[in-house]
Amino acid sequence: GALVYQYPRRTICKSGTSMRMECQAVGFQATSVAWYRQSPQKTFELIALSTVNSAIKYEQNFTQEKFPISHPNLSFSSMTVLNAYLEDRGLYLCGARDSGGAREQYFGPGTRLTVL
Amino acid sequence: GDSVTQKQGQVTLSEDDFLFINCTYSTTTYPTLLWYVQYLGQGPQLLLKVTTANNKGISRGFEATYDKGTTSFHLQKASVQESDSAVYFCALVPANSGTYQRFGTGTKLQVVP
Repeated sequence: GALVYQYPRRTICKSGTSMRMECQAVGFQATSVAWYRQSPQKTFELIALSTVNSAIKYEQNFTQEKFPISHPNLSFSSMTVLNAYLEDRGLYLCGARDSGGAREQYFGPGTRLTVL
Repeated sequence: GDSVTQKQGQVTLSEDDFLFINCTYSTTTYPTLLWYVQYLGQGPQLLLKVTTANNKGISRGFEATYDKGTTSFHLQKASVQESDSAVYFCALVPANSGTYQRFGTGTKLQVVP
């Protein structure tokens, strides 16, 4: 089956520091990966959509300078939160879409970021 | 633009009650409609999807019908169990390739024994 792993599951960083999170697709080829932040109220904010062989598209209020993303192959993506502050807290989710034509995304368990 | 609306923020039921979670959508394309379930401490899991209008998706006792006339995709289950307690998200995938999913705001289901 299609599985998505995310590392780390939880992380704590000091305000102003940076942290990197990873997303691994297993059992399918992830041609597109979307990074979301889920608020405590459970709403999803799309940060960016990364598609292999295309430029990464960032949503309004999110920039490459703040959330650089790497998507080097069909099974791996990483995102860094640079200069993290309190407003960056939340659950960061990776949603990957299979190259086989299915339209839905498979999600990892998320990386929970706490900023002190 | 494309959007999904879930009016119910929280639903509390007793075991064996009937479940109905409202979802309506707006789009100019022919979307795929989905329901995800998110258990505490986990990421969203696909519960069911329907790609064709007027079709019904069924999974684990849950069902939802893609109603193009009323632009709705309500989630139903005849008899809920305590283990169904979770947050349920309705989502839409526009027909354009490469676009991401639009999620509703989620409905938290609490089933009490």
